[in-house]
Amino acid sequence: GQSLEQPSEVTAVEGAIVQINCTYQTSGFYGLSWYQQHDGGAPTFLSYNALDGLEETGRFSSFLSRSDSYGYLLLQELQMKDSASYFCAVRDDGGSQGNLIFGKGTKLSVKP
Amino acid sequence: DAGITQSPRHKVTETGTPVTLRCHQTENHRYMYWYRQDPGHGLRLIHYSYGVKDTDKGEVSDGYSVSRSKTEDFLLTLESATSSQTSVYFCASRDRVSNEQFFGPGTRLTVL
Repeated sequence: GQSLEQPSEVTAVEGAIVQINCTYQTSGFYGLSWYQQHDGGAPTFLSYNALDGLEETGRFSSFLSRSDSYGYLLLQELQMKDSASYFCAVRDDGGSQGNLIFGKGTKLSVKP
Repeated sequence: DAGITQSPRHKVTETGTPVTLRCHQTENHRYMYWYRQDPGHGLRLIHYSYGVKDTDKGEVSDGYSVSRSKTEDFLLTLESATSSQTSVYFCASRDRVSNEQFFGPGTRLTVL
């Protein structure tokens, strides 16, 4: 079967650093994406990793290790507005459709 | 932001009635997707489209059909709604080369 595992909840304080892990088991792998979703809102794209290594975009970074079927999202200098759910998603086919398989999401709570 | 809208935003219906949800995008994106989001399940793909009149099934397609007669519109139909189809439905679109999916604001459907 296809599965993505990520913690269901994470709590951190404002200004801290938090890492959200994602391990995957899929029939194919062509990239790992991360999406953010605030309560009542729509998912929004954060990052995409197709190759091993770290991608940095401002306060957010995303890492991928294909040999370990593992990735993480790193959030630095946490702010209250970062309280949201974060989803990892695997693109499991090399076709042009770009279909994604989503994890169940990690709810991040940032405390003052 | 990609211009992607969904209608209606909220709907309450009764078991056995047909329901059609509409997704409209103004970005001329080739690929469009319908997801459902339920607590504990994350986002699951119902159907997707890779062009006008070109659609295919996703992970949870039973009980749903779709149509795409124009690039900008992607319709999701529940032929005979059941209580298990109570959910939040998200539409998304993507252009040919990007890995980023743009999501609509969602439709909250309640089937009584």
